[in-house]
Amino acid sequence: GQNIDQPTEMTATEGAIVQINCTYQTSGFNGLFWYQQHAGEAPTFLSYNVLDGLEEKGRFSSFLSRSKGYSYLLLKELQMKDSASYLCAVGPLDDYKLSFGAGTTVTVRA
Amino acid sequence: DAGITQSPRYKITETGRQVTLMCHQTWSHSYMFWYRQDLGHGLRLIYYSAAADITDKGEVPDGYVVSRSKTENFPLTLESATRSQTSVYFCASSEPPAGTTGTSPTDTQYFGPGTRLTVL
Repeated sequence: GQNIDQPTEMTATEGAIVQINCTYQTSGFNGLFWYQQHAGEAPTFLSYNVLDGLEEKGRFSSFLSRSKGYSYLLLKELQMKDSASYLCAVGPLDDYKLSFGAGTTVTVRA
Repeated sequence: DAGITQSPRYKITETGRQVTLMCHQTWSHSYMFWYRQDLGHGLRLIYYSAAADITDKGEVPDGYVVSRSKTENFPLTLESATRSQTSVYFCASSEPPAGTTGTSPTDTQYFGPGTRLTVL
């Protein structure tokens, strides 16, 4: 099974940087996804990591350490529209199901 | 329109009634999933399907039934609704690359807009 932990809430100021951590314990691992979900909307894909290291996509970056069971999502130059819930999800080695963390609600303040 | 749709978007029902939530995708994705989302629990997988006529249980299948007679449709039925099934339900689909096992960068799950179900 999968055990995924991430903080419940984070608050940051517009223009700042926020780092959302995700730790996982899993019996088999193939990759880690990050999804963004605005209130009342569906989750949308942000990033995917399968190898150790940093993947950068514009203002968003995601890092993975497989040996430590640890990932983070880095949001730079925060904008008000980045206020949302960020979901960490783990993909198993031999299946296409995802296990999701409970999500981190990020509030961006002016 | 192309994409993944769910109906109804909102539903209020009473305990003991049967309710069916519909999910339709136009991409011909082979995999489809049903999740429920509750405060503090995140997304939990109810059932999933690898292809037409192939379904399997997820983390929280009790009280739910699914079918997949056509690739594009994946209805979820609550046979006798209970208050604990009040939740937001999301359907998702994905198309794993041929010849692969396990998730991969191109195996993104695309989510429908959700159905908010209230059981009184």
